[in-house]
Amino acid sequence: DAGITQSPRHKVTETGTPVTLRCHQTENHRYMYWYRQDPGHGLRLIHYSYGVKDTDKGEVSDGYSVSRSKTEDFLLTLESATSSQTSVYFCAISVGQGLAYEQYFGPGTRLTVT
Amino acid sequence: GENVEQHPSTLSVQEGDSAVIKCTYSDSASNYFPWYKQELGKRPQLIIDIRSNVGEKKDQRIAVTLNKTAKHFSLHITETQPEDSAVYFCAATYSGGGADGLTFGKGTHLIIQP
Repeated sequence: DAGITQSPRHKVTETGTPVTLRCHQTENHRYMYWYRQDPGHGLRLIHYSYGVKDTDKGEVSDGYSVSRSKTEDFLLTLESATSSQTSVYFCAISVGQGLAYEQYFGPGTRLTVT
Repeated sequence: GENVEQHPSTLSVQEGDSAVIKCTYSDSASNYFPWYKQELGKRPQLIIDIRSNVGEKKDQRIAVTLNKTAKHFSLHITETQPEDSAVYFCAATYSGGGADGLTFGKGTHLIIQP
């Protein structure tokens, strides 16, 4: 499982509330990612990080922010949750060196916004 | 940005037959093409990948081919078994050192008929 955990695994929240999802890795990998998965859309990149305090936007970053204050933790925050953010959220890490990297996924967080 | 198209969306084959899933990509700079298998309620699992310096890669019953000129790549599963039933995703990215996120196709639901 590449040493990735996500918390919480399930969450139900109300529209307008802030929500933070946590991704934790145990192997000091530099690159971390947040994706969301929705029926009919596959997986889409939200934000990614290439080191402590170094983050960048992905394809669907509106309404989300991220922080990485430690190598092992990458946090995804929904500042004011909306029903369109109901989804399954996967964290991923890149493992490798040089030009040869592979991405591995965490177990996912199912978020429901009511 | 990159755009990945995946076909078919659903594929039903008899156990023991072969299955082929096809993807096209738009960005000629992409050089890394992984395939993931996802069972219901689980995380995507990397099953095979190919880089742009090779045209074909094989691992037991699965193989991937890449045609850079035509910008398409395919997953081939031979002698299909019931445990091959899952959703398969292709993806593409420029892998220049591990940072870039993946752009995914929308997935193929592979059904193995007994």
